[in-house]
Amino acid sequence: AQSVTQLDSQVPVFEEAPVELRCNYSSSVSVYLFWYVQYPNQGLQLLLKYLSGSTLVKGINGFEAEFNKSQTSFHLRKPSVHISDTAEYFCAVSENSGNTGKLIFGQGTTLQVKP
Amino acid sequence: DTAVSQTPKYLVTQMGNDKSIKCEQNLGHDTMYWYKQDSKKFLKIMFSYNNKELIINETVPNRFSPKSPDKAHLNLHINSLELGDSAVYFCASSQILGLPGDTQYFGPGTRLTVL
Repeated sequence: AQSVTQLDSQVPVFEEAPVELRCNYSSSVSVYLFWYVQYPNQGLQLLLKYLSGSTLVKGINGFEAEFNKSQTSFHLRKPSVHISDTAEYFCAVSENSGNTGKLIFGQGTTLQVKP
Repeated sequence: DTAVSQTPKYLVTQMGNDKSIKCEQNLGHDTMYWYKQDSKKFLKIMFSYNNKELIINETVPNRFSPKSPDKAHLNLHINSLELGDSAVYFCASSQILGLPGDTQYFGPGTRLTVL
């Protein structure tokens, strides 16, 4: 069975500071990895995903994530955050075989950007 | 045009009632999903359909019955509503079942409150 752990439930940070949101996963098979963002009172929007190839993935809004197979991690980073980045961030995995499209989500991390 | 839309956005009802939530996608996707987000923001898949065929049913009580009249629509009917059904329900769609790492596009959510 797969599982996803987001290590921080809340991350407060000042505007223009760098941020890292941590995600670890557990799976007995190879997986695809995703980061989604949920702005207040909205649905989820894909930030970026890792399928294969380069372990550094760049996404929208200046975010990037690095896949580390040995540490089973997929941490999300941004070098300089804006107030508008305040949102809930979800890490998710799906199996890459017998693909049903099922996403397993982590518990979410609330990013609070302060002026 | 909204890619994935849901109606209603808010739904307040009494315990024991029956209610439906509707979802439509105009992306031409084959696969649609229902997710439940609880009060702690944890997201869990409930169902998925591919071209009107049920693919995933995640041990959801049989009071919940999805219906897909065509591949652009996936409705969720809930019988005998209980307090624990209070949550935000998200519809999502993806292009093709089995497409590696296919992105899921989410609707804005329906906040269901059972009194």
